[in-house]
Amino acid sequence: EPEVTQTPSHQVTQMGQEVILRCVPISNHLYFYWYRQILGQKVEFLVSFYNNEISEKSEIFDDQFSVERPDGSNFTLKIRSTKLEDSAMYFCASRVASGGYGSEQFFGPGTRLTVL
Amino acid sequence: SQKIEQNSEALNIQEGKTATLTCNYTNYSPAYLQWYRQDPGRGPVFLLLIRENEKEKRKERLKVTFDTTLKQSLFHITASQPADSATYLCALAGTGRRALTFGSGTRLQVQP
Repeated sequence: EPEVTQTPSHQVTQMGQEVILRCVPISNHLYFYWYRQILGQKVEFLVSFYNNEISEKSEIFDDQFSVERPDGSNFTLKIRSTKLEDSAMYFCASRVASGGYGSEQFFGPGTRLTVL
Repeated sequence: SQKIEQNSEALNIQEGKTATLTCNYTNYSPAYLQWYRQDPGRGPVFLLLIRENEKEKRKERLKVTFDTTLKQSLFHITASQPADSATYLCALAGTGRRALTFGSGTRLQVQP
């Protein structure tokens, strides 16, 4: 069964460093998302991406964040200068184009980011 | 501001009983409501979706209801099993934001 994959599974970085989190969405999906979940808290939407551009973003997704689809398979989240409060589990998700914007999303296993 | 509340942080039930989880929302007009399962350290897994014009949906032992007047969804797991133990998340998509907004989840523990 096709699945969303994410690398690395765990990333440790120093405050102020740049990190890139990578995702490979399911191959026939056209909508891509990043969410984060701080330990013990709810899953929070960061950004959605369609047709090579951001379609929606939350107030969390400030200038420190950027997303890119550098080729036909990868979808990346870059945090330019990490802060302690960026420590969280980051989930990538994807969905098909049909079914409407509220249709089922497929989540990856997550990347645990630890900022020291 | 928009708020999604799930009935309790934790719910303990005996194997074989029906688990009922609640999702209430305020200041929101969702067009879609979804339920996900999340195991510790893992990503959410989709279970069921219900649209604003639907009252009830079923899938095997799962049933979800959606009452837009009460602004509430109920999620039922019948004949519960220890393997159903997980955190269950309610998520909405609709006016104002098309991406999913998640509740904080209810941790279900099914005792054998």
